Amino acid sequence: GESVGLHLPTLSVQEGDNSIINCAYSNSASDYFIWYKQESGKGPQFIIDIRSNMDKRQGQRVTVLLNKTVKHLSLQIAATQPGDSAVYFCAENRDDKIIFGKGTRLHILP
Amino acid sequence: KAGVTQTPRYLIKTRGQQVTLSCSPISGHRSVSWYQQTPGQGLQFLFEYFSETQRNKGNFPGRFSGRQFSNSRSEMNVSTLELGDSALYLCASSLSGGLDTQYFGPGTRLTVL
Repeated sequence: GESVGLHLPTLSVQEGDNSIINCAYSNSASDYFIWYKQESGKGPQFIIDIRSNMDKRQGQRVTVLLNKTVKHLSLQIAATQPGDSAVYFCAENRDDKIIFGKGTRLHILP
Repeated sequence: KAGVTQTPRYLIKTRGQQVTLSCSPISGHRSVSWYQQTPGQGLQFLFEYFSETQRNKGNFPGRFSGRQFSNSRSEMNVSTLELGDSALYLCASSLSGGLDTQYFGPGTRLTVL
């Protein structure tokens, strides 16, 4: 069935480098996407969102890119810090339900 | 402004029992959604309540139910617990649902023995 998924379950990045977390979606009708960060023992935390009429959106140290042609979403984190260590979820809003991907764990190497 | 709170944080039950979880949304938020998180299935949408009415529902059996009170606080109930119901149950609140940003609570960790 249609779903939101992730390319890699685990990503290891050197501290200070940029991180790129990818996500594929299959429902071409989806028009709103969100990235969440979940730290151990906590609930997901909103990072950034993007609507389908946009290709790129920037926040503080984060950028989300949306490629509707190949149904691909990515989250870029600039100058990765130890505090960025978490599981990152992409999600889509479909029929007012948030459908989450499986998540990517980001490891920060010292 | 206080965040979303969930009680209890941890719960241990046995098969066949029932359980009620509570969620207090951020003040002023009228939409409350519930999710189940497991290692195998990830985060799955259970249901959403708005103004004391269930507005949206995921694909879970009827053993899972909920309600919302006039102060927007919400409860979720699971009857006849099964081992597979062991999970982290998360609640999220937003102003009105839809595309409004959802704020999650820390979750209730339910273990069914």
